[in-house]
Amino acid sequence: SQWGEENLQALSIQEGEDVTMNCSYKTYTTVVHWYRQDSGRGPALIILIRSNEREKRSGRLRATLDTSSQSSSLSITAAQCEDTAVYFCATDETGGADRLTFGKGTQLIIQP
Amino acid sequence: AQTIHQWPVAEIKAVGSPLSLGCTIKGKSSPNLYWYWQATGGTLQQLFYSITVGQVESVVQLNLSASRPKDDQFILSTEKLLLSHSGFYLCAWSSSLGGREQYFGPGTRLTVL
Repeated sequence: SQWGEENLQALSIQEGEDVTMNCSYKTYTTVVHWYRQDSGRGPALIILIRSNEREKRSGRLRATLDTSSQSSSLSITAAQCEDTAVYFCATDETGGADRLTFGKGTQLIIQP
Repeated sequence: AQTIHQWPVAEIKAVGSPLSLGCTIKGKSSPNLYWYWQATGGTLQQLFYSITVGQVESVVQLNLSASRPKDDQFILSTEKLLLSHSGFYLCAWSSSLGGREQYFGPGTRLTVL
């Protein structure tokens, strides 16, 4: 899982397999953001899950949030080569603007 | 539709030289704006945020400064670059209406030699 001082993690799976990436956070948050970043590009938001949601789905993506354990997960079903990217979770502090704190990220490689 | 543009795409600069990076958002009125820095292979670190013209808040000190001269423009600068400034600089925006989502630009790759 990502957070803290761990380095960027790497996961390599075969096309068609399912994968889950985990994220634990240290401070209270009402929202967990999941981003994917393709090489050399800016991150793109893929799922945003709020504290009143235990699960959220978007196509082959599924995010969960457990506020009691301060953890979130992102699952990809039937992974495809185009899912290869770095995935980050992020939490935010509000107060007029959203100060996102990003986890260390997971490098996901889908092998054909 | 909103578009976010960053310039330049990449820069190679000498230690001690000045730097100015720019970001423009089109199609969105009064957005919240953000600057992030990302080391190669690393995570994103938020540097500055701004909720209105002329107001910029610093999140972390890296011998950099930021300004918002126009509603749709955010500038990151320094008078003297350090080797540690190398990395990927990303601008992002979010709605001032509290949508919580942040949308990132394409980034500027900075190499300090």
